[in-house]
Amino acid sequence: QQQVKQSPQSLIVQKGGISIINCAYENTAFDYFPWYQQFPGKGPALLIAIRPDVSEKKEGRFTISFNKSAKQFSLHIMDSQPGDSATYFCAARETGANNLFFGTGTRLTVIP
Amino acid sequence: NAGVTQTPKFQVLKTGQSMTLQCAQDMNHEYMSWYRQDPGMGLRLIHYSVGAGITDQGEVPNGYNVSRSTTEDFPLRLLSAAPSQTSVYFCASSRGGDEQFFGPGTRLTVL
Repeated sequence: QQQVKQSPQSLIVQKGGISIINCAYENTAFDYFPWYQQFPGKGPALLIAIRPDVSEKKEGRFTISFNKSAKQFSLHIMDSQPGDSATYFCAARETGANNLFFGTGTRLTVIP
Repeated sequence: NAGVTQTPKFQVLKTGQSMTLQCAQDMNHEYMSWYRQDPGMGLRLIHYSVGAGITDQGEVPNGYNVSRSTTEDFPLRLLSAAPSQTSVYFCASSRGGDEQFFGPGTRLTVL
C-alpha cells in the first residue's frame, strides 16, 4: 500500500511555465515532507522540504505548499527551465523515525 | 569527501546466483539504508541501519540480507537472485536528521 500518493506520473511544461506536482498522505504521524530531484543515471538529491507547522516554503523558483487538514502537499516550480527536466519524488517521514516513504515519482519534461 | 559510493555500477546475474552490492560513506553518518527503484513504484526501503551492529527490515526485505560491522560500510547481499530483483538499487545515509544523501546507484539485471 502506497503511503504517499503522487500525481501526475508525467508532466510536460513549456519553458517559463509553472510545473505543479501533487502528493497526498493519510498517516497523521508524518511530520517531515521532503521533495527529491533525480536526473537520469544519478541518485535522488534533496530539493526542498517542509514541516507541517508552516503552510508554504519557498527556495528560489521552488515552492512547497502544504495543507495539513487535507493531508496534501505540492511542489511548484516557477519559470520552469529545460534544466529542471528530471524525475521528482515527494516523500514523508514519521515523527522520531529516519525512514522515508516515497511517492511513485513524476517525470517532468520542460520544452524549450 | 566522496559522499556515498556504490559498487558495482552495473551487474548481470543468472537466476540463483548470489552477490553483494557494496555501499560506503565517509560522512560519519549513523543512519544508512538501501532502496530499490522500479518504474512506477518510486523508491522502496529494503533494509536500514541506525548504527554499527544494528539493522532492521524495511518495506521489501525478502531475498536480501544486510550487516553493519562499521559505521562506513553497509553491504546488501542477494542470497539467490530472482528475476523479480531486477532493479536499480540505491544506498543512502544521513546523520539522523533530515537530509538523506544517496549514492549513484547499481543497476542489476537478473536473467
